[in-house]
Amino acid sequence: SQTIHQWPATLVQPVGSPLSLECTVEGTSNPNLYWYRQAAGRGLQLLFYSVGIGQISSEVPQNLSASRPQDRQFILSSKKLLLSDSGFYLCAGARDVPYEQYFGPGTRLTVT
Amino acid sequence: QKEVEQNSGPLSVPEGAIASLNCTYSDRGSQSFFWYRQYSGKSPELIMFIYSNGDKEDGRFTAQLNKASQYVSLLIRDSQPSDSATYLCAVNMGGNNRLAFGKGNQVVVIP
Repeated sequence: SQTIHQWPATLVQPVGSPLSLECTVEGTSNPNLYWYRQAAGRGLQLLFYSVGIGQISSEVPQNLSASRPQDRQFILSSKKLLLSDSGFYLCAGARDVPYEQYFGPGTRLTVT
Repeated sequence: QKEVEQNSGPLSVPEGAIASLNCTYSDRGSQSFFWYRQYSGKSPELIMFIYSNGDKEDGRFTAQLNKASQYVSLLIRDSQPSDSATYLCAVNMGGNNRLAFGKGNQVVVIP
């Protein structure tokens, strides 16, 4: 079974600073990968998903971007953080029918 | 219409009782349905999935799917305090296997 790793676990960043969150997958190859954000008291918002190296689909236009430089690596970035970027960022992976998604432990980002 | 809707919560149940959670979805072509449990401050963990009409049982959990009425439910039998969490319903919306999530239902099991 696959394991999703994320780091860091928590992050406090000032407004306007850059961001880089990393997600790696262990135990499977060629997974679909997803970035979600969960704001306090709210549901999961899909930000990006990828079906392969270099293939990124954006769900929500914003100041975030994603990249997939390797099969089992998915990176979420921003050049300049906004206060509204605060939240719980989750990476998930899916492989094989019925493509159930497994989540990493998440990164809690606070933008100050 | 929202893609996936869950009843507003929270749901309080006494220990040992049955907790019942419902979820409706808008895409009639949806094929796979998932229930996740999320403890406060933690990431969601998959409880079970279902893709055929009817019931699917896994331990104390039963998922029920009715595609004609476009709803899926989760029953938690013999509820325990450790079941206190938010339960997320997710539906496969097709394409590259994206999941649409409901906002979740908080369940509180009272000892």
